Amino acid sequence: DTEVTQTPKHLVMGMTNKKSLKCEQHMGHRAMYWYKQKAKKPPELMFVYSYEKLSINESVPSRFSPECPNSSLLNLHLHALQPEDSALYLCASSPGGRVRYNEQFFGPGTRLTVL
Amino acid sequence: DQQVKQNSPSLSVQEGRISILNCDYTNSMFDYFLWYKKYPAEGPTFLISISSIKDKNEDGRFTVFLNKSAKHLSLHIVPSQPGDSAVYFCAASAGNNNDMRFGAGTRLTVKP
Repeated sequence: DTEVTQTPKHLVMGMTNKKSLKCEQHMGHRAMYWYKQKAKKPPELMFVYSYEKLSINESVPSRFSPECPNSSLLNLHLHALQPEDSALYLCASSPGGRVRYNEQFFGPGTRLTVL
Repeated sequence: DQQVKQNSPSLSVQEGRISILNCDYTNSMFDYFLWYKKYPAEGPTFLISISSIKDKNEDGRFTVFLNKSAKHLSLHIVPSQPGDSAVYFCAASAGNNNDMRFGAGTRLTVKP
């Protein structure tokens, strides 16, 4: 299995809703990432988990809460989002560990719309 | 602060000809550079990379050139094929690949 899967593919939510995005990989990768991508903009790094510990948090608002229950799963919990949070949310993974240069494998993304 | 820049939002090339996609960066600490390709409704897929100790890396039809003094890299696709039509992202990292910065992307269209 050489892919990163993300669910759901599309999500529409109101500003008072609580929802979660899920990401899964079974490649034995030890680093997992959340990116946010707005239209015609580059992916922007949000969070990095390395060996199931949060290693990078790029000053993301607290209405986004990441969780890494185990080495294969990565969640992004959403609460009280704003319409400007509407974007494509990409999950990625990489082998991590002592490999200094390792490419990231991306999932197809979740298209989020906040009404 | 856009540390990685792709100044051409789009490029159109005839099938069989060379496609050249350009990327500039501002952070002199970047030492590893990657190109990703993205089709609609899919996540980016890794294409080719180069570390700062090299100035060229080749993989089949794809070659990446790095000019450290100019802080510039380019991706050459020869010959271009219609299936190469996609958005190409340049990315860079400094030391630890966990923090990777992307350019805005260039949409390549290869016409039959």
